[in-house]
Amino acid sequence: EVQLVESGGGLVQPGGSLRLSCEASGFTFSNYWMGWVRQAPGKGLERAASIKEDGSTKAYVDSVKGRFTISRDNAKNSLYLQMNSLRAEDTAVYYCARYGGRARFDAWGQGTLVTVSS
Amino acid sequence: QSALTQPASVSGSPGQSITISCTGTSSDVGNYNYVSWYQQHPGKAPKLLIYDVSNRPSGVPDRFSGSKSGNTASLTISGLQTEDEADYYCNSYTSSSTVVFGGGTKLTVL
Repeated sequence: EVQLVESGGGLVQPGGSLRLSCEASGFTFSNYWMGWVRQAPGKGLERAASIKEDGSTKAYVDSVKGRFTISRDNAKNSLYLQMNSLRAEDTAVYYCARYGGRARFDAWGQGTLVTVSS
Repeated sequence: QSALTQPASVSGSPGQSITISCTGTSSDVGNYNYVSWYQQHPGKAPKLLIYDVSNRPSGVPDRFSGSKSGNTASLTISGLQTEDEADYYCNSYTSSSTVVFGGGTKLTVL
């Protein structure tokens, strides 16, 4: 069974940093692109960042470029999102998702809530 | 990249059929057969319902079907059930090699 388990969310002040983690199991992690998809309270889905199987290619939504860094450790079956210079508008549930290509996010974690507030 | 356009809400009665539209441009929906649909119940993670416009992952009932015409993709749910009440999102691959989501549609089963 494919499982994705996120951790690391919480309350942080504007300008602060947070690191999200996602532990994967039930599939060959190194064979898949992975991504972070976020959802602000009461809003829709937005792909925040994604990373190629070997970590060589990364993509970000414009609003997080230069502030967020996605990375992975295939030996640990883990995905990460380092979030710096956080803003109130980054407040959201962050989902770790497996990307099967062709706009297909075919497995999702339960999500971790990030709240940016003073 | 602008979000794809979905109706904010649709409704139907049990047993009826409903269709949710997802309108993009010639740079995304209109140019690729890479449209997916997701179902999200309150407080839960999204679940993949449809991929590549009209394909269903194993385990998804055949009451759910997808199609596309021009720049608009559609999700049809036939034989509505109360448990279908949820939010539905489409997404598409784009010419910028990214993925864009729709704003979501709330389905109410009356």
